[in-house]
Amino acid sequence: GENVEQHPSTLSVQEGDSAVIKCTYSDSASNYFPWYKQELGKRPQLIIDIRSNVGEKKDQRIAVTLNKTAKHFSLHITETQPEDSAVYFCAASNSGGGADGLTFGKGTHLIIQP
Amino acid sequence: NAGVTQTPKFRVLKTGQSMTLLCAQDMNHEYMYWYRQDPGMGLRLIHYSVGEGTTAKGEVPDGYNVSRLKKQNFLLGLESAAPSQTSVYFCASSYWQGPNEQFFGPGTRLTVL
Repeated sequence: GENVEQHPSTLSVQEGDSAVIKCTYSDSASNYFPWYKQELGKRPQLIIDIRSNVGEKKDQRIAVTLNKTAKHFSLHITETQPEDSAVYFCAASNSGGGADGLTFGKGTHLIIQP
Repeated sequence: NAGVTQTPKFRVLKTGQSMTLLCAQDMNHEYMYWYRQDPGMGLRLIHYSVGEGTTAKGEVPDGYNVSRLKKQNFLLGLESAAPSQTSVYFCASSYWQGPNEQFFGPGTRLTVL
């Protein structure tokens, strides 16, 4: 089955700086890669996703890049703000995010230092 | 719309007891999922369903059963709870066709003593 590795487990950055979280996956058939943000005691919420036919996607301060050859994808957050503090999870799916569910990484705790 | 709801929000069980967690969605989604979340482990798929009357095993199905008798509901059962099943359980749902975003419920925190 699919295996998703996520690094780092904890990331501390100064407010206003950029943050990068990286994930690798094992199944070359995976074609959907979402990123979820989870605040303490809350449910995971989708912040951005990318499909295997696209190399990069941006949404305001958030961007995701995908390298299919190397089987890794990354989340980039620019101009970090205190409200960006949360746990971020990457995930992968080989059914377009549908039928077979998602395989998640173990999460990155992002801390924004004032 | 309420989205995805879960009942109960919290529950404490003794080893060997049984219980059922209920997930309901009002978005007319075909696909529904049960995940468990443990500290440092991310979310792991327990069971999923691609439609009414169908279920399938995920990554960690042992000790759990599920049923999808109605399209809007997905039940997760623990027949004989064990301390290893102490976790936060999340239900999710999605459409059968793109963009396939999974919408999560608020979670159920289960403690097995």
